[in-house]
Amino acid sequence: QVQLVQSGAEVKKPGASVKVSCKASGYAFTDKYLNWVRQTPGQGLQWMGRINPDTGDTYYAQEFQDRLTLTRDTSITTAYMDLSGLTSDDTAIYYCARGKFEWFSGNFDFWGQGTLVTVSS
Amino acid sequence: DIQMTQSPSSLSASVGDRVTITCQASQDINKFLNWYQQKPGKPPKLLIYDASNLETGVPSRFSGSGSGTDFTVTISSLQPEDIATYYCQQYDNLPYTFGQGTKLEIK
Repeated sequence: QVQLVQSGAEVKKPGASVKVSCKASGYAFTDKYLNWVRQTPGQGLQWMGRINPDTGDTYYAQEFQDRLTLTRDTSITTAYMDLSGLTSDDTAIYYCARGKFEWFSGNFDFWGQGTLVTVSS
Repeated sequence: DIQMTQSPSSLSASVGDRVTITCQASQDINKFLNWYQQKPGKPPKLLIYDASNLETGVPSRFSGSGSGTDFTVTISSLQPEDIATYYCQQYDNLPYTFGQGTKLEIK
């Protein structure tokens, strides 16, 4: 069965970076896009960007353009989300979510369990 | 960015009621709209894609309609397990954007 398993909760200081992993199993990793979505009480659900696990091509939402890096390691079917320059506004639950259809990213049919990132001094 | 506006923000209904939630896009998004259900402590779950296609395993009491800028999701007969927050999401244009959510409660 399809599973996306994310790394554990993180506590970071302002200005630091965080790297969250998303281990995929149960399907052909390189066939489906992986998206990253975060959820905050104030801003709700916010799409951050996506990666094509086959080519490594990425697309970032403008808001995160300067400090978000999405990567993947196909040998271990794992995607990574690296967010730098953290502020308290980045305190959120971060999700990876799979694109339902091959070569298209817009429908998120499987989600990781979420990773809570807390930014606090 | 395309703005997605849901209404109402919260809704209280009785078991067996017909419930409708609406979502309006700030510009034409054709049929490129998803609906998700989220329960506390869980990630969102895809219910409907392409505005009206039911995801595999989703009960048939859920249905979606609309195109262009105006969309709805309807629960034909509300069940206790439907208590959740519902979100719409457009995928016509990047960045993908979500509505603010509709919290559904039992009366």
